[in-house]
Amino acid sequence: DAGVIQSPRHEVTEMGQEVTLRCKPISGHDYLFWYRQTMMRGLELLIYFNNNVPIDDSGMPEDRFSAKMPNASFSTLKIQPSEPRDSAVYFCASSFGQMWDMNTEAFFGQGTRLTVV
Amino acid sequence: AQSVTQLGSHVSVSEGALVLLRCNYSSSVPPYLFWYVQYPNQGLQLLLKYTTGATLVKGINGFEAEFKKSETSFHLTKPSAHMSDAAEYFCARPSTNYGGSQGNLIFGKGTKLSVKP
Repeated sequence: DAGVIQSPRHEVTEMGQEVTLRCKPISGHDYLFWYRQTMMRGLELLIYFNNNVPIDDSGMPEDRFSAKMPNASFSTLKIQPSEPRDSAVYFCASSFGQMWDMNTEAFFGQGTRLTVV
Repeated sequence: AQSVTQLGSHVSVSEGALVLLRCNYSSSVPPYLFWYVQYPNQGLQLLLKYTTGATLVKGINGFEAEFKKSETSFHLTKPSAHMSDAAEYFCARPSTNYGGSQGNLIFGKGTKLSVKP
């Protein structure tokens, strides 16, 4: 398996524009996570899915952020409208089982570096 | 709230010297604990994981960590640093919010390791 695949790797957009980040999890994994990494706040969980169903979206900053998982092999994180404070690295991760399962680990994609100007 | 605390946002060692990165957890129940490594412009990769049993856990690239319940610590060590170890290291634990998020990881702020020749 090629691992968790995110696209694009880099995105530069103007304030007010819509941004869509994409993620393909590892085949067979039943959990998918979206994290955001910034210097100030470190790694924060935005939302996670189990079997394509959103379980916890309490980390989503505000209504401008939305995430979907239409099937087991694809998820999107959308920001509309984007703002400069959204600039960060966004990571997608997937796992088979949840983190309290003894043999589970989360596999991370390489991230999307978003810059909103 | 359940958390992990990493002491020192930056650690610098000379090549060949001991590496010690500190992590403490807060919990009434010893959790599973993880160390992840992030190389520049990359996603996170699992170094090692403590679940139950042996308190000294060996990971990849010569790293190991010891779970000490009496100190609520899970420090990461490597006897001899190599230039290729320069990266950011994250301690993490599963969320214990049983009412909501219990499938995801909570990360420490990270410790950036520099290795001097």
